[in-house]
Amino acid sequence: QTVVTQEPSFSVSPGGTVTLTCALRSGSVSTSYHPSWYQQTPGQAPRTLIYNTDTRCSGVPDRFSGSILGNKAALTITGAQADDESSYFCLLYMGSGSWMFGGGTKLTVL
Amino acid sequence: QVQLVESGGGVVQPGRSLRLSCVASGFTFSDYGIHWVRQAPGKGLEWVAGISFDGSDKNYADSVKGRFTISRDSSKNTLYLQMNSLRTEDTAIYYCAKRGGYSFSYPPFDYWGQGTLVTVSS
Repeated sequence: QTVVTQEPSFSVSPGGTVTLTCALRSGSVSTSYHPSWYQQTPGQAPRTLIYNTDTRCSGVPDRFSGSILGNKAALTITGAQADDESSYFCLLYMGSGSWMFGGGTKLTVL
Repeated sequence: QVQLVESGGGVVQPGRSLRLSCVASGFTFSDYGIHWVRQAPGKGLEWVAGISFDGSDKNYADSVKGRFTISRDSSKNTLYLQMNSLRTEDTAIYYCAKRGGYSFSYPPFDYWGQGTLVTVSS
């Protein structure tokens, strides 16, 4: 069974840089998986940040960037701010119209 | 502005059925694909099902295939999720999410509803 994995938790200092990753339990993530990234705070619906590997959605600050790093998709936050403290989920296209989310990373800014 | 409003959630016994609705406004409903995504309490997001702009293409997660049916009525700007043979593990907030466009040059989900809670319990 295909599983999409993310770091369960991560911590970053205010103003610091953090890179969250999204991997396949077996195999490499490439642009063919069209990775996208979502931010969610407790009690709120998700917000779409990045799609198609590295395209920011309208209104998303440029401190958020997406890429492929090695065999993983990556979300980098440069100059982290307090309100970036959220859960972050990646989503991969698995083919034939189906999609799969990663387990999510809970980011703490302190 | 784009709005997606889900309804139909509630408490239901295992093995029973429930139908969720998502009413869309602020865009041309018949031009866009749309998805259902769920989130169990305290857990991550799970893609459930998606339907193309014209309803001709429907896709499901393995966990719901054969039990859930996605459909749409463009005359009512409404997306549906018929959920049969419900299990306790189907307990979740169910979100509808609009596709940004037909190709991967657009976000898979660009707007989300606020969700409706389904609780499957005896």
